[in-house]
Amino acid sequence: SQTIHQWPATLVQPVGSPLSLECTVEGTSNPNLYWYRQAAGRGLQLLFYSVGIGQISSEVPQNLSASRPQDRQFILSSKKLLLSDSGFYLCAWSVSQGTLHFGNGTRLTVT
Amino acid sequence: AQSVTQLDSQVPVFEEAPVELRCNYSSSVSVYLFWYVQYPNQGLQLLLKYLSGSTLVKSINGFEAEFNKSQTSFHLRKPSVHISDTAEYFCAVSPIIGSARQLTFGSGTQLTVLP
Repeated sequence: SQTIHQWPATLVQPVGSPLSLECTVEGTSNPNLYWYRQAAGRGLQLLFYSVGIGQISSEVPQNLSASRPQDRQFILSSKKLLLSDSGFYLCAWSVSQGTLHFGNGTRLTVT
Repeated sequence: AQSVTQLDSQVPVFEEAPVELRCNYSSSVSVYLFWYVQYPNQGLQLLLKYLSGSTLVKSINGFEAEFNKSQTSFHLRKPSVHISDTAEYFCAVSPIIGSARQLTFGSGTQLTVLP
């Protein structure tokens, strides 16, 4: 069966520090991978998606970047965090146009 | 492009009472429809989906939703809720021709079941 791992679960970082959130998927090949951000009361915002290694599409301009160094690994990064980067970050995968499967999320607080 | 409106941000209801969470959508093309559920500090899980066929779809834990094309709605219902149903519920749509990256979520409805 397929599983998705996302870590860390919680993170507190000072403004201006770097960020690296990691997500890995097991049990499937060549998945589509996604990073979403969830702000309280505002639903989910798609940040990045990837259809293959090294192929990243950004949905909104921002202080974040994403990379996919391996087929089932997706990394969300920032060189310098802003207060506005605080939120709940969710990684997800799908196969073609299938259902999205989400990780348990990372709650990021930028202080 | 499509949009999703969840009309209620908070729905409190007593245990064993019925509940309806409302979802309306707007799209210029035909869509698939989804309900996802999020328990505290967890990711989203698919609750049910409408792709084609019968307009009434059901989940394994007693929820059901009916696709109403004329009213562009996909309301979620349960005849008798449990404390464990307390969670945030998200309605979502994606175009039939396209990819999951075109999935659009509503802003969510917090269902709180009271004892």
